[in-house]
Amino acid sequence: DAGITQSPRYKITETGRQVTLMCHQTWSHSYMFWYRQDRGHGLRLIYYSAAADITDKGEVPDGYVVSRSKTENFPLTLESATRSQTSVYFCASRRILAGGPEGTQYFGPGTRLTVL
Amino acid sequence: GQNIDQPTEMTATEGAIVQINCTYQTSGFNGLFWYQQHAGEAPTFLSYNVLDGLEEKGRFSSFLSRSKGYSYLLLKELQMKDSASYLCAVRDAGKLIFGQGTELSVKP
Repeated sequence: DAGITQSPRYKITETGRQVTLMCHQTWSHSYMFWYRQDRGHGLRLIYYSAAADITDKGEVPDGYVVSRSKTENFPLTLESATRSQTSVYFCASRRILAGGPEGTQYFGPGTRLTVL
Repeated sequence: GQNIDQPTEMTATEGAIVQINCTYQTSGFNGLFWYQQHAGEAPTFLSYNVLDGLEEKGRFSSFLSRSKGYSYLLLKELQMKDSASYLCAVRDAGKLIFGQGTELSVKP
């Protein structure tokens, strides 16, 4: 049971480059989420997706693009990376049920991104 | 606006009891989660409250008062491995809104 995986785990890039972070889940969960985690800010939602081909903005979407052509994959792209996007990025998923602990979000291991 | 407050850091002694508080002001409320996050790892689910009162799971308990916008996580018989960040999160319309997290250090 692989669960939810992210790749790469670590990435160093330069300002202005395009970077894509991958997220893959094996549970067939409907909902998937991208967060960034920064000291002093906690976890902040970037984008989320309710199903394939359905995506919506979260709290901090600027500078990011997402797509979801298949239920199991939810890639996050930084079209032109900036130093302020240096962060740890977590992908998460949950089943369609929103109520109770069954609506719990499960997190991937994270990608540590450094933009020089 | 959305606001969730937790203390930034706490220190406690091995074998003791510690209470981590969380207060929230959100536009909607569909439940409150506590997650544990060890350094360099992903957050993992600890507990969930949607009704007022106490939920107990082994050494961990979580309390909710919806009228006061208040929750706490109680950790008993502290162990060194409990040193981690504890994240309070409110579910609002299917999304989770996180507090900044409380970094707990357990000392021998």
